[in-house]
Amino acid sequence: QQQVKQSPQSLIVQKGGISIINCAYENTAFDYFPWYQQFPGKGPALLIAIRPDVSEKKEGRFTISFNKSAKQFSLHIMDSQPGDSATYFCAASIKGYQKVTFGIGTKLQVIP
Amino acid sequence: DGGITQSPKYLFRKEGQNVTLSCEQNLNHDAMYWYRQDPGQGLRLIYYSQIVNDFQKGDIAEGYSVSREKKESFPLTVTSAQKNPTAFYLCASSRGGSENTIYFGEGSWLTVV
Repeated sequence: QQQVKQSPQSLIVQKGGISIINCAYENTAFDYFPWYQQFPGKGPALLIAIRPDVSEKKEGRFTISFNKSAKQFSLHIMDSQPGDSATYFCAASIKGYQKVTFGIGTKLQVIP
Repeated sequence: DGGITQSPKYLFRKEGQNVTLSCEQNLNHDAMYWYRQDPGQGLRLIYYSQIVNDFQKGDIAEGYSVSREKKESFPLTVTSAQKNPTAFYLCASSRGGSENTIYFGEGSWLTVV
Protein backbone atom coordinates (compact mmCIF):
# COMPACT_ATOMS: atom_id res chain seq x y z
CA GLN A 1 0.00 0.00 0.00
CA GLN A 2 1.47 3.29 -1.10
CA GLN A 3 1.21 5.65 1.86
CA VAL A 4 2.60 8.64 -0.02
CA LYS A 5 1.12 9.17 -3.47
CA GLN A 6 3.23 11.29 -5.80
CA SER A 7 2.25 12.78 -9.15
CA PRO A 8 3.02 13.18 -11.94
CA GLN A 9 5.55 10.42 -12.59
CA SER A 10 7.12 12.43 -15.38
CA LEU A 11 7.14 16.13 -16.16
CA ILE A 12 8.52 18.22 -19.00
CA VAL A 13 8.88 21.95 -18.42
CA GLN A 14 10.40 24.67 -20.54
CA LYS A 15 13.34 26.61 -19.21
CA GLY A 16 12.12 29.47 -17.06
CA GLY A 17 8.81 27.79 -16.28
CA ILE A 18 7.42 26.53 -13.00
CA SER A 19 7.67 22.85 -12.16
CA ILE A 20 5.06 21.52 -9.74
CA ILE A 21 5.12 18.08 -8.14
CA ASN A 22 2.38 16.95 -5.79
CA CYS A 23 2.23 14.45 -2.96
CA ALA A 24 -0.61 13.22 -0.79
CA TYR A 25 -0.38 11.18 2.37
CA GLU A 26 -2.79 9.16 4.45
CA ASN A 27 -1.14 8.72 7.83
CA THR A 28 -1.82 11.79 9.99
CA ALA A 29 1.01 10.75 12.32
CA PHE A 30 3.59 11.85 9.73
CA ASP A 31 5.39 14.93 11.07
CA TYR A 32 8.32 15.50 8.74
CA PHE A 33 8.10 15.89 4.97
CA PRO A 34 11.38 16.07 3.01
CA TRP A 35 11.99 16.25 -0.72
CA TYR A 36 14.97 14.52 -2.30
CA GLN A 37 16.65 15.20 -5.64
CA GLN A 38 18.39 12.45 -7.57
CA PHE A 39 20.60 12.87 -10.62
CA PRO A 40 21.14 9.88 -12.96
CA GLY A 41 23.51 7.30 -11.52
CA LYS A 42 23.71 9.04 -8.14
CA GLY A 43 22.05 8.61 -4.79
CA PRO A 44 19.22 10.97 -3.78
CA ALA A 45 20.10 14.00 -1.68
CA LEU A 46 17.95 16.12 0.59
CA LEU A 47 16.66 19.19 -1.24
CA ILE A 48 14.24 20.85 1.17
CA ALA A 49 11.97 19.73 4.02
CA ILE A 50 8.98 21.00 5.98
CA ARG A 51 7.19 20.25 9.21
CA PRO A 52 3.37 20.41 9.41
CA ASP A 53 3.31 23.46 11.67
CA VAL A 54 4.14 25.72 8.71
CA SER A 55 2.30 26.09 5.42
CA GLU A 56 5.22 27.08 3.22
CA LYS A 57 8.99 26.93 3.14
CA LYS A 58 11.19 28.54 0.53
CA GLU A 59 14.84 27.97 -0.25
CA GLY A 60 16.01 29.83 -3.32
CA ARG A 61 13.96 28.71 -6.31
CA PHE A 62 12.48 25.76 -4.41
CA THR A 63 9.29 26.07 -2.34
CA ILE A 64 7.29 23.49 -0.42
CA SER A 65 3.61 24.22 0.08
CA PHE A 66 1.88 22.22 2.79
CA ASN A 67 -1.87 21.75 3.31
CA LYS A 68 -2.42 19.86 6.54
CA SER A 69 -6.21 19.62 6.26
CA ALA A 70 -6.00 18.17 2.76
CA LYS A 71 -3.00 15.98 3.69
CA GLN A 72 -1.12 17.24 0.66
CA PHE A 73 2.20 18.89 0.01
CA SER A 74 3.87 20.05 -3.14
CA LEU A 75 7.23 21.14 -4.50
CA HIS A 76 7.42 24.20 -6.72
CA ILE A 77 10.54 24.94 -8.73
CA MET A 78 10.51 28.50 -9.97
CA ASP A 79 12.46 29.59 -13.05
CA SER A 80 13.23 25.95 -13.86
CA GLN A 81 16.65 25.33 -15.41
CA PRO A 82 18.06 22.41 -17.43
CA GLY A 83 20.31 21.66 -14.45
CA ASP A 84 17.16 20.92 -12.43
CA SER A 85 16.49 17.89 -14.63
CA ALA A 86 16.45 15.03 -12.16
CA THR A 87 14.14 12.66 -10.34
CA TYR A 88 12.39 14.12 -7.31
CA PHE A 89 11.05 12.09 -4.42
CA CYS A 90 8.73 13.29 -1.70
CA ALA A 91 8.88 11.47 1.61
CA ALA A 92 7.29 11.37 5.04
CA SER A 93 8.34 10.14 8.43
CA ILE A 94 7.25 9.99 12.05
CA LYS A 95 9.39 11.27 14.91
CA GLY A 96 10.99 8.37 16.74
CA TYR A 97 10.54 5.91 13.88
CA GLN A 98 13.44 5.19 11.57
CA LYS A 99 11.41 4.01 8.61
CA VAL A 100 10.84 6.69 5.98
CA THR A 101 8.08 6.40 3.39
CA PHE A 102 8.94 7.62 -0.11
CA GLY A 103 6.74 8.59 -3.03
CA ILE A 104 7.26 6.84 -6.35
CA GLY A 105 9.30 9.69 -7.80
CA THR A 106 8.88 12.28 -10.56
CA LYS A 107 11.28 12.47 -13.45
CA LEU A 108 11.62 16.14 -14.37
CA GLN A 109 13.05 17.25 -17.68
CA VAL A 110 13.63 20.94 -18.26
CA ILE A 111 14.06 21.71 -21.93
CA PRO A 112 15.85 24.80 -23.27
CA ASP B 1 34.79 14.10 4.36
CA GLY B 2 31.83 12.47 6.07
CA GLY B 3 29.64 10.29 3.98
CA ILE B 4 28.50 6.87 2.86
CA THR B 5 30.71 4.69 0.72
CA GLN B 6 29.26 1.90 -1.34
CA SER B 7 31.32 -0.63 -3.23
CA PRO B 8 31.61 -1.82 -5.85
CA LYS B 9 29.91 0.74 -8.11
CA TYR B 10 29.31 -1.86 -10.83
CA LEU B 11 29.04 -5.59 -10.30
CA PHE B 12 28.28 -8.43 -12.68
CA ARG B 13 27.41 -11.89 -11.42
CA LYS B 14 26.19 -15.13 -12.89
CA GLU B 15 22.73 -16.34 -12.01
CA GLY B 16 22.74 -18.56 -8.94
CA GLN B 17 25.68 -16.84 -7.25
CA ASN B 18 25.41 -14.89 -4.03
CA VAL B 19 26.89 -11.41 -4.05
CA THR B 20 27.64 -8.98 -1.20
CA LEU B 21 27.43 -5.22 -1.54
CA SER B 22 29.49 -3.18 0.88
CA CYS B 23 28.29 -0.06 2.72
CA GLU B 24 30.37 1.98 5.15
CA GLN B 25 29.43 5.28 6.83
CA ASN B 26 31.51 7.68 8.89
CA LEU B 27 28.64 9.96 9.89
CA ASN B 28 28.23 8.28 13.28
CA HIS B 29 24.62 7.52 12.42
CA ASP B 30 22.76 4.85 14.34
CA ALA B 31 20.32 3.90 11.58
CA MET B 32 21.25 2.35 8.25
CA TYR B 33 19.14 1.24 5.31
CA TRP B 34 19.23 -0.62 2.02
CA TYR B 35 16.94 0.41 -0.82
CA ARG B 36 16.43 -1.05 -4.25
CA GLN B 37 15.60 1.20 -7.17
CA ASP B 38 14.00 -0.02 -10.40
CA PRO B 39 12.64 2.20 -13.18
CA GLY B 40 9.15 3.42 -12.37
CA GLN B 41 9.08 1.79 -8.94
CA GLY B 42 10.69 4.39 -6.77
CA LEU B 43 12.74 3.46 -3.72
CA ARG B 44 11.82 0.18 -2.11
CA LEU B 45 13.14 -0.64 1.36
CA ILE B 46 14.92 -3.98 1.66
CA TYR B 47 16.26 -3.94 5.24
CA TYR B 48 16.99 -1.35 7.88
CA SER B 49 18.91 -1.33 11.12
CA GLN B 50 18.36 1.02 14.02
CA ILE B 51 21.31 -0.15 16.08
CA VAL B 52 24.24 -2.55 16.00
CA ASN B 53 23.28 -6.25 16.00
CA ASP B 54 19.66 -5.45 15.19
CA PHE B 55 17.87 -5.16 11.86
CA GLN B 56 14.35 -5.36 10.48
CA LYS B 57 12.89 -6.49 7.18
CA GLY B 58 11.61 -3.84 4.86
CA ASP B 59 9.03 -4.20 2.12
CA ILE B 60 11.02 -6.50 -0.19
CA ALA B 61 13.39 -8.51 2.05
CA GLU B 62 12.91 -11.89 0.38
CA GLY B 63 16.12 -13.11 -1.22
CA TYR B 64 18.32 -10.67 0.69
CA SER B 65 20.26 -10.82 3.94
CA VAL B 66 22.15 -8.25 6.02
CA SER B 67 24.35 -7.98 9.08
CA ARG B 68 25.17 -5.10 11.41
CA GLU B 69 28.21 -6.08 13.45
CA LYS B 70 29.66 -2.58 13.50
CA LYS B 71 27.99 0.81 13.65
CA GLU B 72 29.81 1.91 10.51
CA SER B 73 29.03 -1.10 8.32
CA PHE B 74 25.86 -2.61 6.90
CA PRO B 75 26.61 -5.09 4.09
CA LEU B 76 23.85 -6.51 1.92
CA THR B 77 23.97 -10.02 0.45
CA VAL B 78 21.87 -10.71 -2.60
CA THR B 79 21.25 -14.44 -2.54
CA SER B 80 20.39 -16.82 -5.33
CA ALA B 81 16.84 -16.88 -3.94
CA GLN B 82 16.25 -13.33 -5.21
CA LYS B 83 14.30 -13.87 -8.42
CA ASN B 84 15.17 -10.65 -10.20
CA PRO B 85 18.31 -9.18 -8.62
CA THR B 86 19.41 -6.87 -11.43
CA ALA B 87 18.87 -3.36 -10.04
CA PHE B 88 20.42 -0.21 -8.59
CA TYR B 89 21.04 -0.63 -4.86
CA LEU B 90 21.27 2.32 -2.49
CA CYS B 91 22.64 2.28 1.03
CA ALA B 92 21.66 5.07 3.39
CA SER B 93 21.96 6.21 6.96
CA SER B 94 20.24 8.62 9.31
CA ARG B 95 20.68 10.11 12.75
CA GLY B 96 17.01 9.70 13.53
CA GLY B 97 15.30 12.09 15.89
CA SER B 98 12.60 14.61 15.07
CA GLU B 99 13.83 15.28 11.52
CA ASN B 100 14.87 11.96 10.09
CA THR B 101 16.94 13.03 7.11
CA ILE B 102 18.23 10.10 5.08
CA TYR B 103 21.73 10.36 3.62
CA PHE B 104 22.35 8.13 0.62
CA GLY B 105 25.45 6.60 -0.87
CA GLU B 106 26.26 6.76 -4.58
CA GLY B 107 24.66 3.40 -5.27
CA SER B 108 25.77 0.06 -6.68
CA TRP B 109 24.64 -1.32 -10.01
CA LEU B 110 24.19 -5.08 -9.91
CA THR B 111 23.69 -6.99 -13.14
CA VAL B 112 23.00 -10.70 -13.01
CA VAL B 113 23.44 -12.60 -16.26
